[in-house]
Amino acid sequence: AQSVAQPEDQVNVAEGNPLTVKCTYSVSGNPYLFWYVQYPNRGLQFLLKYITGDNLVKGSYGFEAEFNKSQTSFHLKKPSALVSDSALYFCAVRDTGGSYIPTFGRGTSLIVHP
Amino acid sequence: NAGVTQTPKFQVLKTGQSMTLQCAQDMNHNSMYWYRQDPGMGLRLIYYSASEGTTDKGEVPNGYNVSRLNKREFSLRLESAAPSQTSVYFCASTGGYNEQFFGPGTRLTVL
Repeated sequence: AQSVAQPEDQVNVAEGNPLTVKCTYSVSGNPYLFWYVQYPNRGLQFLLKYITGDNLVKGSYGFEAEFNKSQTSFHLKKPSALVSDSALYFCAVRDTGGSYIPTFGRGTSLIVHP
Repeated sequence: NAGVTQTPKFQVLKTGQSMTLQCAQDMNHNSMYWYRQDPGMGLRLIYYSASEGTTDKGEVPNGYNVSRLNKREFSLRLESAAPSQTSVYFCASTGGYNEQFFGPGTRLTVL
């Protein structure tokens, strides 16, 4: 079985500061990992993914995520937050040894204060 | 290239009424999905279609039916709407390595 956890319902950060949105996962095989962003009244947009290779993955809008196999984590990061980054962020995982259907976390609301 | 489109954007139903939510994608994807999003619940999978001609139940299929009309189109039907089906519904399709592309959503209110 596969699962994903986003331990924080909300993350607050000041504009210009670095941000981290946490994600941990559980799979029986190897993971495919994804981050999505949802702006108000919009659908989810794909940000980045880890399939294999370099543990540091770079994505859209200056975001990056680090795959840590020993800690089963895939935290989303950005060196300098913008007010426009305020949105809902979802982590998702797919177990390459199981179903091709991804499992989504419950989402983390990121609020960037001016 | 419109990506994933959904109609309608908004709908208000009375309890017991029926309706069909339409979804289409122009990316030649094989797999398509219907989710519902409720506050604090994240995304929950209702039904999915791995390929044209196949459909399978997801986590919360009760009260819904689907039709994969062709490779492009995947519709979701509520036969007898209930207030518990008030939600935002998203259609998605899958490209390479399973990143999903989502439609803009349908906001449904059942009175």
